Amino acid sequence: ELKVEQNPLFLSMQEGKNYTIYCNYSTTSDRLYWYRQDPGKSLESLFVLLSNGAVKQEGRLMASLDTKARLSTLHITAAVHDLSATYFCAATSGSQGNLIFGKGTKLSVKP
Amino acid sequence: NAGVTQTPKFRILKIGQSMTLQCTQDMNHNYMYWYRQDPGMGLKLIYYSVGAGITDKGEVPNGYNVSRSTTEDFPLRLELAAPSQTSVYFCASKASGFTDTQYFGPGTRLTVL
Repeated sequence: ELKVEQNPLFLSMQEGKNYTIYCNYSTTSDRLYWYRQDPGKSLESLFVLLSNGAVKQEGRLMASLDTKARLSTLHITAAVHDLSATYFCAATSGSQGNLIFGKGTKLSVKP
Repeated sequence: NAGVTQTPKFRILKIGQSMTLQCTQDMNHNYMYWYRQDPGMGLKLIYYSVGAGITDKGEVPNGYNVSRSTTEDFPLRLELAAPSQTSVYFCASKASGFTDTQYFGPGTRLTVL
């Protein structure tokens, strides 16, 4: 059974600092997704990582995938307040590719 | 193009009552999903559908039922509401591609008292 673990679950950062969120998954997965959720809102897709060594970047966020280590990272560069949100990773399971989500990392960026 | 829409946005039910959460998508997506999100937890898959007339159970299907008579609609039925079903419910859809992203609706916040 696929399990997805994120750490840390809570992250308080100062503006301008860098940090990394880690996402480990327990069994082989074809794809790895990152989503963002603002308080009281829906989920917004950030990245889809399809293969070992994949790296994707959008603004101050960069995601990478190491399928051998079963690890994905979401790196935040020079954090700004607008990045405050909860970030979820999700890996795929089964023949239909259903998503198994981690518990999420609640990021708070303070001035 | 509205994407994925859900109704209602909020609902309070009494124990034992029934209700249907509505989900509609206008992107002609084949795959549709229902998730629940509890505080401090990720999303758990309740049911999914790969096309009209085809549904299957996810991780936490007990206490729920679904149907898929059209491509656009995927309603979720709660027959005998229990406090454990208090949650935020999200509907999502995607096209059929192997790498396609799921697009989420705005959610329904349900409280069972």
